[in-house]
Parts: sequence; structure tokens; C-alpha cells
Amino acid sequence: DIQMTQSPSSLSASVGARVTITCRASQSISTFLNWYQQKPNKSPNLLIYDASSLQSGVPSRFSGSGSGTDFTLTISSLQPEDVATYYCQQSYTVPRTFGQGTKVGI
Amino acid sequence: QVQLVQSGGEVRKPGASVQVSCKASAYTFVTFGISWLRQAPGQGLEWMGWISLNNGDTLYAQKFQGRVTLTTDTSTTTAYMDLRSLRSDDTAMYYCARDGEWGNLAGASFDPWGQGTLVTVSS
Repeated sequence: DIQMTQSPSSLSASVGARVTITCRASQSISTFLNWYQQKPNKSPNLLIYDASSLQSGVPSRFSGSGSGTDFTLTISSLQPEDVATYYCQQSYTVPRTFGQGTKVGI
Repeated sequence: QVQLVQSGGEVRKPGASVQVSCKASAYTFVTFGISWLRQAPGQGLEWMGWISLNNGDTLYAQKFQGRVTLTTDTSTTTAYMDLRSLRSDDTAMYYCARDGEWGNLAGASFDPWGQGTLVTVSS
């Protein structure tokens, strides 16, 4: 199975700050990497697909980059509504696997 | 826009079985697959398996092989997840999510998700 490792596991930043979350795959997954946002007591929501494509309706302050084994999710200007846990997920192969999550607070 | 609506919460005793349903609100039911995932309290996301809504083919995570069965009913556009021999550590929120079909599984994403079904296993 492909292992996905996120860092940090949690962070706290000020409103307006730039936030970066990294995700590393245990083997190359090309750009088959998705990012999800999960707010407390809600279902996860797709933010970024194919490593860097913004899902329709997602604010442009979210962006993704990377290929191979190293990926990044960036929030350019953190907003109060961005408080959530963020997960990366590889779609290169089955079984689908997720990072352990990064909890973002204000 | 596809929407996935899951059945309500369930409480089971250890050793019992549970079935969770996931109804898709779109006539294009057979053009995508459905993955089932779960999230234990305070934990991360875990993929359990996938079913093709086109032909019923399935893929299961090794951890759940032999204990989970995924099925569909195309006449009602509903997918089902059956989990047997329940243990206390099966207590979790169970989600269905739209996934890709054969030929485009690589690169697919989970979107949208159902609202989740809480399964509680307790004696």
C-alpha cells in the first residue's frame, strides 16, 4: 500500500496568514493527489484534484502543487471559515490511502 | 449534480451485522463508481472498498476482505454496504462517496460524499 504522510499534524495561524501543508507519498504517484477539507461534524469536501486543479466553487485562496512524491496545499490568506482538518489522498492505485490529517486553527 | 443520501444511524451488538444504504439522486447512476469509507471517532479517513455501478465489480481493502460486501440496486439508484462480525472498533461514521469507474479509477476523486451514517457497536 502507498503510505501518505502529512505535516504538520496541527497548526495555528492568524487570520490573513499564509498556511502551507505538505504531503509525501511513499512512492511516486505522478499527480494523482487530492486534497479534502473536513469541518467539525461534517463530511469531507473536495478542494483540489490532480494535485493542482481547484474544484468548482472552492475559493481561489486554496492552491495545490507538486508531483511524484511531494505535494503542498497552500491557503494564501487564512480565513476563520477555513478552520478544519485537511487530508491528502492518493488516487494512483487501490487501496486508496489518506494522510493522517492536518488540523488548522486560528 | 449528484447527491448521495445515506440511511440513518445504527446501533449493533458485537458479532452482529449492519447494512448502510446510499441513494444517488441522479439518473446517471451507472456512469460512476461508489467508494465506501469510514472514520472512527477522532480519527482519520479509511477507504473500505469500491463498487462499479455499471457492472457490480468490486474492490475491497485487504483489511475488510471477507467481512464487507458492497452491492447496488440500479432500479433504485442505491448502493449498499454490509459489514459482518461487528466489533467495538467498528464504531465509526461510515461514508459513501462518488468515485471513478473502470478505466478512470486512477486520478478519480471522492466527490460528492454522503452525509455519513454513524454505526455504534456496543454490548
